[in-house]
Amino acid sequence: DTAVSQTPKYLVTQMGNDKSIKCEQNLGHDTMYWYKQDSKKFLKIMFSYNNKELIINETVPNRFSPKSPDKAHLNLHINSLELGDSAVYFCASSQGGSFELFFGSGTQLSVL
Amino acid sequence: AQSVTQLDSQVPVFEEAPVELRCNYSSSVSVYLFWYVQYPNQGLQLLLKYLSGSTLVKGINGFEAEFNKSQTSFHLRKPSVHISDTAEYFCAVSGGTALIFGKGTTLSVSS
Repeated sequence: DTAVSQTPKYLVTQMGNDKSIKCEQNLGHDTMYWYKQDSKKFLKIMFSYNNKELIINETVPNRFSPKSPDKAHLNLHINSLELGDSAVYFCASSQGGSFELFFGSGTQLSVL
Repeated sequence: AQSVTQLDSQVPVFEEAPVELRCNYSSSVSVYLFWYVQYPNQGLQLLLKYLSGSTLVKGINGFEAEFNKSQTSFHLRKPSVHISDTAEYFCAVSGGTALIFGKGTTLSVSS
């Protein structure tokens, strides 16, 4: 079983479209994250949820909306996609204040 | 606020040679430190972590790192690298409620 799984792995779409990325973890962790990795490999935290509550909301356009239906799932919905949204999006999870993150394999988003 | 600087963006090395990937951090409070590895087209995998205690930390695949509080460094080392160690390596520091990552070092091992 994959500990942190994301779907889809690849997402190619047109500017202006709305898309979602799903993430699930089966580690029993209470905290989940979304990170964005740009073309230069730089990783930046976007959101963090602890027990379904938003903890971190970095300076991210409000076109990005995370949703956590339960503590095992954290989805990312993106409205009105722009060229600059093209990146790899990683979901991760951790337990409590451990900071030891377990990452999914990433979703490569390409906006044309 | 915490920050991480990886001093080398690319490190080319020959197989079986030793390697050191350098990482410096900035923080006004005690931190946890991590090294992650990212193989091509994959997610990040934890190599090792420093939480407290012994400043020399051993990780997977023969890697180790030394926490130096006075120099605010956490350099990663391996005495003899393999072709399979070719990957992107990220140093990270605990900040608030999430990890803050450095910009990564590309380790390229050739024969």
